[in-house]
Amino acid sequence: GESVGLHLPTLSVQEGDNSIINCAYSNSASDYFIWYKQESGKGPQFIIDIRSNMDKRQGQRVTVLLNKTVKHLSLQIAATQPGDSAVYFCAENRGTGRRALTFGSGTRLQVQP
Amino acid sequence: SAVISQKPSRDICQRGTSLTIQCQVDSQVTMMFWYRQQPGQSLTLIATANQGSEATYESGFVIDKFPISRPNLTFSTLTVSNMSPEDSSIYLCSVSGADGYTFGSGTRLTVV
Repeated sequence: GESVGLHLPTLSVQEGDNSIINCAYSNSASDYFIWYKQESGKGPQFIIDIRSNMDKRQGQRVTVLLNKTVKHLSLQIAATQPGDSAVYFCAENRGTGRRALTFGSGTRLQVQP
Repeated sequence: SAVISQKPSRDICQRGTSLTIQCQVDSQVTMMFWYRQQPGQSLTLIATANQGSEATYESGFVIDKFPISRPNLTFSTLTVSNMSPEDSSIYLCSVSGADGYTFGSGTRLTVV
């Protein structure tokens, strides 16, 4: 069957390199942002999140950067591994409360061994 | 975080028929959402499922086509009615709780 992300922009990296995936958002009222990883046949999996009162947050091998001035979000993956191959989506929560997320268009990451 | 069981995981349906997708959560959650993911696309919100009242639909989605039930705080259903091939997509349930947002594994629907 057709896999997720077949028509999405693709980022190809070599195993061991660092990956940077970018996302632009449109609503300046958004106050909470999440990066998700989606593998074929699965639902989105949480990677890392950041609130609008921060500009950087680090996790295990991942870093999210938020630039509110230009409404830009990036996900950095250090020492990319073949298991990181998937489609990555940014999502934003527009406004207060636990409202539904609005998803970006997504990027397919391919890790070459 | 909440664990979601979504059924069926996939189905192939004839045009003109309807399919009901179930979403069961292992804990009570306030907010439940239904998304559609068309082939090669991102996730688009269909509606917010409200417990005890009618769902709140996003622009472009209507109750007659996508009726939603939410009888309690752990369960919801989405029905895709009078299906056409354009309804072929992955449909995902999501919840928002104290631990953040969680997604089901999705229902891959193919309409022939």
